[in-house]
Amino acid sequence: DTGVSQNPRHKITKRGQNVTFRCDPISEHNRLYWYRQTLGQGPEFLTYFQNEAQLEKSRLLSDRFSAERPKGSFSTLEIQRTEQGDSAMYLCASSTPQGAGGNTIYFGEGSWLTVV
Amino acid sequence: GQNIDQPTEMTATEGAIVQINCTYQTSGFNGLFWYQQHAGEAPTFLSYNVLDGLEEKGRFSSFLSRSKGYSYLLLKELQMKDSASYLCAVRGNDYKLSFGAGTTVTVRA
Repeated sequence: DTGVSQNPRHKITKRGQNVTFRCDPISEHNRLYWYRQTLGQGPEFLTYFQNEAQLEKSRLLSDRFSAERPKGSFSTLEIQRTEQGDSAMYLCASSTPQGAGGNTIYFGEGSWLTVV
Repeated sequence: GQNIDQPTEMTATEGAIVQINCTYQTSGFNGLFWYQQHAGEAPTFLSYNVLDGLEEKGRFSSFLSRSKGYSYLLLKELQMKDSASYLCAVRGNDYKLSFGAGTTVTVRA
């Protein structure tokens, strides 16, 4: 068990470019979450998956954001036409379902995005 | 939705005890989590409470009162490495975590 893995860890991009982040959850964790965190704030929920199904998307997620989890394993978060306000740390987390001994949600090390 | 409040900052001396309070108002409750986050790093899991009472894990303990919408994290025998942000998070019936803004704890020698 190598924990939740995210890459790239750091990304600097020019305004208007597209970026994609990848998350590999802990194996056998069927729930996967994306959060965004800015300096001095707690993480804000963006979206989550149970297996390959995207169950909820936050109103924070504009149409420029899209997330996928095609085979119920790894997930990608794409941001199109990046804006400076997108600069943040993007956190991925995973867990097993409630009642299967998996009460804990584990976070990856995050992907830092800087839009210049 | 969830409304989660915790103090912004706390300072304590090495070897002392600090208690970080968290109050919440939620539309559903399915557990309360505490995470530690060092600057520039991801949150790491500290504790989980779903029933009322105290959970103890070494130097860290967490308490929950569901009727009062209240939890605290107790850090004993503070060490310099405990300087970090501590995040209170509530899981709703939809299994999402909603976070407070975090409490920055500074441990002084």
